[in-house]
Amino acid sequence: KNEVEQSPQNLTAQEGEFITINCSYSVGISALHWLQQHPGGGIVSLFMLSSGKKKHGRLIATINIQEKHSSLHITASHPRDSAVYICAVRTTSGTYKYIFGTGTRLKVLA
Amino acid sequence: DSGVTQTPKHLITATGQRVTLRCSPRSGDLSVYWYQQSLDQGLQFLIQYYNGEERAKGNILERFSAQQFPDLHSELNLSSLELGDSALYFCASGLAGSTGELFFGEGSRLTVL
Repeated sequence: KNEVEQSPQNLTAQEGEFITINCSYSVGISALHWLQQHPGGGIVSLFMLSSGKKKHGRLIATINIQEKHSSLHITASHPRDSAVYICAVRTTSGTYKYIFGTGTRLKVLA
Repeated sequence: DSGVTQTPKHLITATGQRVTLRCSPRSGDLSVYWYQQSLDQGLQFLIQYYNGEERAKGNILERFSAQQFPDLHSELNLSSLELGDSALYFCASGLAGSTGELFFGEGSRLTVL
């Protein structure tokens, strides 16, 4: 079992739909990142969370430390949101490291 | 534009060779992180430097090494290259040594033939 699990692996939505991507982890963490990787390969950091909730435009990220779970929500989705969304955690145990989820491939249809 | 510069963007080389990938972090960022993204393994954390010192280590092979120089740029050295080392290598930078936001470069695509 991966230490960071994302669901769903693939998601197709119609423009305007509300989208939720989930991330569960089994290790102690000090921070969780949501990343967006476009088809060209570039990676953009969307959010860095250690608790609570953050909002940026149509994107909302939440984290529940007790349940070891985070969600990324996209409101009023648009075709330009089509990308791979990756959850990454920074561990706390010993010498810390980053562990990445396998990503959620999102396609938003016009 | 994230402000993080990686060179070269593309590199093709042969097995057994050695290459150096370079990363210039955003102005003012003290932390540099290296990641490998291959088709079968996804994104993997390799190593982090903070203000010239190694801060954290991930799944970095012994054939790989990195360093951060006094001007804060970093180099990732890959030696005795194997076919399986073909991947995208990303560098990211951040302000803090630990939980700061990350800014990614565009990556260096390495192809080992």
